[in-house]
Amino acid sequence: QKEVEQDPGPLSVPEGAIVSLNCTYSNSAFQYFMWYRQYSRKGPELLMYTYSSGNKEDGRFTAQVDKSSKYISLFIRDSQPSDSATYLCARVQGAQKLVFGQGTRLTINP
Amino acid sequence: NAGVTQTPKFRVLKTGQSMTLLCAQDMNHEYMYWYRQDPGMGLRLIHYSVGEGTTAKGEVPDGYNVSRLKKQNFLLGLESAAPSQTSVYFCASSGNPGQGANSNQPQHFGDGTRLSIL
Repeated sequence: QKEVEQDPGPLSVPEGAIVSLNCTYSNSAFQYFMWYRQYSRKGPELLMYTYSSGNKEDGRFTAQVDKSSKYISLFIRDSQPSDSATYLCARVQGAQKLVFGQGTRLTINP
Repeated sequence: NAGVTQTPKFRVLKTGQSMTLLCAQDMNHEYMYWYRQDPGMGLRLIHYSVGEGTTAKGEVPDGYNVSRLKKQNFLLGLESAAPSQTSVYFCASSGNPGQGANSNQPQHFGDGTRLSIL
C-alpha cells in the first residue's frame, strides 16, 4: 500500500463550484501534510501546510485532516478557471522529505 | 528573484549515454532534493542532501548519482541512461526546520527538466 493515495481524476467542474480533493494515508502516526498546486509544465508550489488534525483556512482554500479515518482534504470555494491545475497531497517525513500522492488533475470550466 | 533554477529544460539522450542535470538555488537553503515525476506515479524522491558535502538515497535512487560540492548547487547524474529513466525531473530546496511542532519548511521547486531516453 502506498503511504499516500490520491484519486488521479481528472476532475472537471463549472466555475463557482466548491471543489473537494481528497487523499488517504496509511499510518495514523503521520502528522504533517502539505498540499501543492502544479500548473502545466511548471514545478509544484506550496498551497497549504497542515499539522495533526483539524482545519486550516487560507482565503478560498481549506485544508482538513481527519486522523480517525486517515483522510486529508482540500476544499476550494468559488472555484475559478485559474484554479485549473494538478493538486498534489504529500506527507512530510524526516529531513523534510515529501511523500506525494499521485496528484489530481482539476479543470474549472468557465 | 530566481529561486530554484534547473538546467537544461529539455534533453534527448540515447540509451547508454551519460549526462548531468544541474540545480541551483539562491535562497541559501541547506536542504536540496531531486524528484522524478511519471504519469500516474506522482513525484518520487531520488536523492536528497541536508547540507553541503552530504547526500542520501531517497525512494528510487538506482541508476542515479548526486553531488553537493557547493551549498547552492545539487547535481544529478545518469551514468548510463536507460529508457526507464525517461521522465520529468524536479529539483527542490528548503530551509532548516525550526524547533517544535509545525516547524517544517516548505520545499521550493524548479520548473523541471524533461528528459527522453531513446
